[in-house]
Amino acid sequence: NAGVMQNPRHLVRRRGQEARLRCSPMKGHSHVYWYRQLPEEGLKFMVYLQKENIIDESGMPKERFSAEFPKEGPSILRIQQVVRGDSAAYFCASSPRTDAYGYTFGSGTRLTVV
Amino acid sequence: GESVGLHLPTLSVQEGDNSIINCAYSNSASDYFIWYKQESGKGPQFIIDIRSNMDKRQGQRVTVLLNKTVKHLSLQIAATQPGDSAVYFCAETNMYSGGGADGLTFGKGTHLIIQP
Repeated sequence: NAGVMQNPRHLVRRRGQEARLRCSPMKGHSHVYWYRQLPEEGLKFMVYLQKENIIDESGMPKERFSAEFPKEGPSILRIQQVVRGDSAAYFCASSPRTDAYGYTFGSGTRLTVV
Repeated sequence: GESVGLHLPTLSVQEGDNSIINCAYSNSASDYFIWYKQESGKGPQFIIDIRSNMDKRQGQRVTVLLNKTVKHLSLQIAATQPGDSAVYFCAETNMYSGGGADGLTFGKGTHLIIQP
């Protein structure tokens, strides 16, 4: 049973480009969470999704950021027109239920904006 | 919003000694707490959790203590080994906040360094 799979592991984008980060939850998990981690800091919640629904996006920046979790395929975190301040590690977690039990994190995508 | 904080950014211990990592939280509504270990270049790895109806919980070589009166959480690692070197985060949430909303609130982390 593979864990939470994130790709790519490393992503380099020039300012103004788009970044697409993918997350495949663990088998049987229908709840996906995205977090951002700046250097030397803890993780900050961004968005919580279930299949085809955004449940809570209170941690998402109002502009340029969007997330989806389609019926088929991985969850996608999309950042349009990236800026240097978007450089961070982005982690996805999945859970089999609506609360935090069984939360499992992926290895993250490290985004560098040059 | 309220956040979880840690007392020390770095903790250095001798191999074989016990380690104690502390965490202060400020959200009195939090009722579920988790300790994570994060090694360089990896995602957070679950260590141990505790619910607010408990004061202590033990795992393999790890113990979590919860003091709700002073909103304090600690992680004790017995007989620290080189493989324990990592950044340790505490995280909090309210299990009944509704559908996992708000996710987990993380502290900034304590970097545990093991001296040979």
